[in-house]
Amino acid sequence: TQLLEQSPQFLSIQEGENLTVYCNSSSVFSSLQWYRQEPGEGPVLLVTVVTGGEVKKLKRLTFQFGDARKDSSLHITAAQPGDTGLYLCAGRGNSGYALNFGKGTSLLVTP
Amino acid sequence: KAGVTQTPRYLIKTRGQQVTLSCSPISGHRSVSWYQQTPGQGLQFLFEYFSETQRNKGNFPGRFSGRQFSNSRSEMNVSTLELGDSALYLCASSLSLLYEQYFGPGTRLTVT
Repeated sequence: TQLLEQSPQFLSIQEGENLTVYCNSSSVFSSLQWYRQEPGEGPVLLVTVVTGGEVKKLKRLTFQFGDARKDSSLHITAAQPGDTGLYLCAGRGNSGYALNFGKGTSLLVTP
Repeated sequence: KAGVTQTPRYLIKTRGQQVTLSCSPISGHRSVSWYQQTPGQGLQFLFEYFSETQRNKGNFPGRFSGRQFSNSRSEMNVSTLELGDSALYLCASSLSLLYEQYFGPGTRLTVT
């Protein structure tokens, strides 16, 4: 099993602030995905990154895949209460089919 | 296009009983994966099916089993339930193996 560590575990910020959450591993991943999960619901796919050094933007969210494809970050600009949720990263190794998940960063954005 | 559906959404069972959960994938998706989510362990992979065959299996005891039907719908079964089996069970579908996975809302299982 290829472990993914996410930090911070919890984050509480005010509306309008910027934040970055991290997803790190000692293993190389062929692709990495970010999901957001709201209480009582399943994770919703936000983005998939596949190329080392790749940067993808989704409105106020910026995702980066590390050059060595072992880590990733998610940056949110001007956070809004609607961004509240559990952010999960998941990676698929070079040889396996299984998707390995980090334990997530729980984000709370207050008005 | 309808998303992944899971039934039932909530379930309460007694220790020692067995339970069957159902998952209907997005139309056209042929791969279904199952995950267990708990506050302590996060999302843990149970198994993945493609073309009615189990292609990959996580590190769970044999009490956890699953199957996939010819229409790609999938079921998972947990026998001899234990208190520690209380969790949110998530199903995800994808076009094929290695493709992006889309999750259903989950089944909340409580074992008393």
